[in-house]
Amino acid sequence: GDSVTQMEGPVTLSEEAFLTINCTYTATGYPSLFWYVQYPGEGLQLLLKATKADDKGSNKGFEATYRKETTSFHLEKGSVQVSDSAVYFCALRRGGSNYKLTFGKGTLLTVNP
Amino acid sequence: DGGITQSPKYLFRKEGQNVTLSCEQNLNHDAMYWYRQDPGQGLRLIYYSQIVNDFQKGDIAEGYSVSREKKESFPLTVTSAQKNPTAFYLCASSRSGSEGETQYFGPGTRLLVL
Repeated sequence: GDSVTQMEGPVTLSEEAFLTINCTYTATGYPSLFWYVQYPGEGLQLLLKATKADDKGSNKGFEATYRKETTSFHLEKGSVQVSDSAVYFCALRRGGSNYKLTFGKGTLLTVNP
Repeated sequence: DGGITQSPKYLFRKEGQNVTLSCEQNLNHDAMYWYRQDPGQGLRLIYYSQIVNDFQKGDIAEGYSVSREKKESFPLTVTSAQKNPTAFYLCASSRSGSEGETQYFGPGTRLLVL
């Protein structure tokens, strides 16, 4: 079945540091890939997405590129801020009759001033 | 503002009691979903609905029931058959069930057992 594997957290960085959160997936066909962010006590917000190979999703300084050859969708940001502290989820969605998102377990990011 | 509302924010359930979680959206989305989130885990799909009066079981539907009588509303009932209901419940919607469509999430309901 489909699965998403994210790097284990928690990740702790200083402000202005470079961020990478690794995400790899297993799925048949060509899924769409997503990064969601969850702030404490809140629901999930879409951060960025990519729907086909080599697409780059970007938003708020975050970027991720859909790499079919390595089945990866790593999240990066050049300079993190304290306000980026949250849990980040990688997810995929295949077409067909099952419409669910398959999520990774999430990575907790803490950015210290 | 368009969005998804969930109520209540916190819900307490007694043993043997059924409780219902509300989810309303004014985005005019056709598809709606219920996910369960446990600490340190990703989200797991409970039920989803592509159109009014139709819904399908997800991966962990046992002990839960839903209805979709209106496009805007997709309430989830946690029945007494669900033996471990303590979790954070998230409702989502999307314009359609297409693969690339973004799912938008509500703020969640935290269910606790007394």
